[in-house]
Amino acid sequence: KAGVTQTPRYLIKTRGQQVTLSCSPISGHRSVSWYQQTPGQGLQFLFEYFSETQRNKGNFPGRFSGRQFSNSRSEMNVSTLELGDSALYLCASSLRTGGDSDTQYFGPGTRLTVL
Amino acid sequence: GQQVMQIPQYQHVQEGEDFTTYCNSSTTLSNIQWYKQRPGGHPVFLIQLVKSGEVKKQKRLTFQFGEAKKNSSLHITATQTTDVGTYFCAGARTLTFGKGTMLLVSP
Repeated sequence: KAGVTQTPRYLIKTRGQQVTLSCSPISGHRSVSWYQQTPGQGLQFLFEYFSETQRNKGNFPGRFSGRQFSNSRSEMNVSTLELGDSALYLCASSLRTGGDSDTQYFGPGTRLTVL
Repeated sequence: GQQVMQIPQYQHVQEGEDFTTYCNSSTTLSNIQWYKQRPGGHPVFLIQLVKSGEVKKQKRLTFQFGEAKKNSSLHITATQTTDVGTYFCAGARTLTFGKGTMLLVSP
């Protein structure tokens, strides 16, 4: 079974621009979560989508948004990029069969650099 | 909100030495998960602990969940160079991650 895929793998943008990242979950997984990873802050939860609905949201500004399509693929968008948005953005998928006990499978991430 | 803290942040050991990382949550957890991230890689699921006082082993790795379900530990016996990476614990659902413990192993 193919793993979680993320595109693009690397991205360079300048301040003020916007960016869209894509994530394709493992086949059959309906939940997609996004995380931001930086050396200083570690792994921080951005949001989770399940059945095209945002189910949970982390403590990030409104410049960060996402969506999920009917095939469970997900995109996240960051508008008006700031230097501090430079990070590794990780997508994780899970079955979300119920309760808290879902293993999350991470993709390789998109490395975003904002100049 | 829920906070998960890990100590130490960093540890450098000689191959063959033991290693332990500790995870503490500000709130009671329904379960805790452990992940390993190799340098340049992405987090990979290791194990999930659900029951109070639970202990699970994977070869040289031993995972414990505290009686109060607010703390956990990962112990590696006789480290190998392949154990190098950052070990994260994560509280349930939205997976509130600790900042991880980076393990370096010198041959």
